[in-house]
Amino acid sequence: ETGVTQSPTHLIKTRGQQVTLRCSSQSGHNTVSWYQQALGQGPQFIFQYYREEENGRGNFPPRFSGLQFPNYSSELNVNALELDDSALYLCASSDLAGGSYEQYFGPGTRLTVT
Amino acid sequence: AQSVTQPDIHITVSEGASLELRCNYSYGATPYLFWYVQSPGQGLQLLLKYFSGDTLVQGIKGFEAEFKRSQSSFNLRKPSVHWSDAAEYFCAVGAREYGNKLVFGAGTILRVKS
Repeated sequence: ETGVTQSPTHLIKTRGQQVTLRCSSQSGHNTVSWYQQALGQGPQFIFQYYREEENGRGNFPPRFSGLQFPNYSSELNVNALELDDSALYLCASSDLAGGSYEQYFGPGTRLTVT
Repeated sequence: AQSVTQPDIHITVSEGASLELRCNYSYGATPYLFWYVQSPGQGLQLLLKYFSGDTLVQGIKGFEAEFKRSQSSFNLRKPSVHWSDAAEYFCAVGAREYGNKLVFGAGTILRVKS
């Protein structure tokens, strides 16, 4: 069974640029959630995708957007990067269609905005 | 509003000693409760979960947690800590009514002294 994978591992961007982060869900999972973890804090929910549709969103501005593909992998896009966007971005997959609420996390992408 | 409180930012215990990490939640719906562990620079690993039924749940690595509805608590325990348990621990709450998003506490950093 393949776990959740994320790419890239690390990324350095300049303020104002755009970034795309990628996530492959665990085998058999149909739901992907994205979280932002700032240094010294717990993860904050950004949004969730289920069957290629956004299925809930946290308190993040519209410049945070996402996609889910037919194979259930997902992308997180952030436009007009700000310094405060520097964080660890975590992807989690789950089997919502199967009634499971356990979320399994990938290793994360460390984004640094300078 | 949903919230999770982990009152202890840091805890230091001696190897072989018992451990209890505290978690209190405020949630408007019947909660699902989780404990995750995060090693430096890593993603989150699920330790254990509570959905319903027996309020004492067993997890991996010898951890257990007890759900106390009257106290809105879900404390994590381990009878004998090993040096490899040093990490950051996060309590998280979810609910079907809130679309399966997880709300995390700020985390507790566990240090183990030999």
